[in-house]
Amino acid sequence: TQLLEQSPQFLSIQEGENLTVYCNSSSVFSSLQWYRQEPGEGPVLLVTVVTGGEVKKLKRLTFQFGDARKDSSLHITAAQPGDTGLYLCAGEGHRGYKLSFGAGTTVTVRA
Amino acid sequence: KAGVTQTPRYLIKTRGQQVTLSCSPISGHRSVSWYQQTPGQGLQFLFEYFSETQRNKGNFPGRFSGRQFSNSRSEMNVSTLELGDSALYLCASSLGLAGASDTQYFGPGTRLTVL
Repeated sequence: TQLLEQSPQFLSIQEGENLTVYCNSSSVFSSLQWYRQEPGEGPVLLVTVVTGGEVKKLKRLTFQFGDARKDSSLHITAAQPGDTGLYLCAGEGHRGYKLSFGAGTTVTVRA
Repeated sequence: KAGVTQTPRYLIKTRGQQVTLSCSPISGHRSVSWYQQTPGQGLQFLFEYFSETQRNKGNFPGRFSGRQFSNSRSEMNVSTLELGDSALYLCASSLGLAGASDTQYFGPGTRLTVL
């Protein structure tokens, strides 16, 4: 059982459509991070959210941290093929682990 | 600034053997963390080293060990390999600060296959 549950597991959409990925947990985290990983590479940090209720925007990506700091969402507007990848959420501060990761959401954007 | 480098990139071993993986962090980074990534379990935290000392440890058996040198380079060792150890092993380096400001930068990983 994953500490952080991500949904959906897979997402395939057409270029120009919007998508949302969810990350949920029963535990509280001091911060939550979102990464994108492409084949053959390590994860690359997209954003860190720290404050409950916080919303951060990074161009077409919007990240939200739940008020109770247990859940988060990633919304992509007008997705492009370059957004294709494995999106991972990770929580900091549980059991002394550096980071606890969700299983990831594989996003495919078709041209 | 050069990124995190991991060697080797690919490795094939047989059951019962042991393996050592190497990680060179970004210059100036003092913390190195190791993660195991598999399709079934995702990314799981192995351990973190800071200034040559293990600071945190995940829930893995004692066959998994690591160390860090004075130049912050780190190695991890897996003894008595099992088929289930086949995975992508990722190393991440950071400054070693406490809290959310300590951004981790991942290397490309070492793909270990155990036959």
